[in-house]
Amino acid sequence: DAKTTQPTSMDCAEGRAANLPCNHSTISGNEYVYWYRQIHSQGPQYIIHGLKNNETNEMASLIITEDRKSSTLILPHATLRDTAVYYCIVRVATSYDKVIFGPGTSLSVIP
Amino acid sequence: GAVVSQHPSWVICKSGTSVKIECRSLDFQATTMFWYRQFPKQSLMLMATSNEGSKATYEQGVEKDKFLINHASLTLSTLTVTSAHPEDSSFYICSASNPIEDTQYFGPGTRLTVL
Repeated sequence: DAKTTQPTSMDCAEGRAANLPCNHSTISGNEYVYWYRQIHSQGPQYIIHGLKNNETNEMASLIITEDRKSSTLILPHATLRDTAVYYCIVRVATSYDKVIFGPGTSLSVIP
Repeated sequence: GAVVSQHPSWVICKSGTSVKIECRSLDFQATTMFWYRQFPKQSLMLMATSNEGSKATYEQGVEKDKFLINHASLTLSTLTVTSAHPEDSSFYICSASNPIEDTQYFGPGTRLTVL
């Protein structure tokens, strides 16, 4: 059963911020929010993860609502190379736990 | 970041033959690796969990006798598609767990085409 819901697709203008939403209303207290992306015909790439605080790294920022029922992945300055399918996944933070992928959001960055 | 490789990157085989795909963690030891399959325009589907030195755990609906998994060392897991048929044509992806970083890293995938 899917633990997250994401829009099927989104467009973003090149150079603008891409804001990808994710709903996870049934998230448990020990579950983290992970984001991966998959560029066409490549393996998934880890982006970022967080528990309840906002997180930022060189790729993106993750904003988690106070009730933890939703989050937003922000790509601050989208480029054409950011065109990919983005997966929001809720799971416990152990490397041994399997990653279950939903359908994700297909982001198209438009010139 | 950590690197996971797969070999081959693509393979074409005749129906009825067996194909072996390798997954290696290049700069860390992975006691757990995972195998996924992805059909066109679909998401990744977990096939099995591979633990070093023990039998793999298969997801419901995945035939363990058809998809043989071996995880003989901390850096290598193999997936063998036995008696491949055209419906087995797919993109096969592995991931490896890095226990130090508590993160999974994915390989680049192997495109299998069965004629």
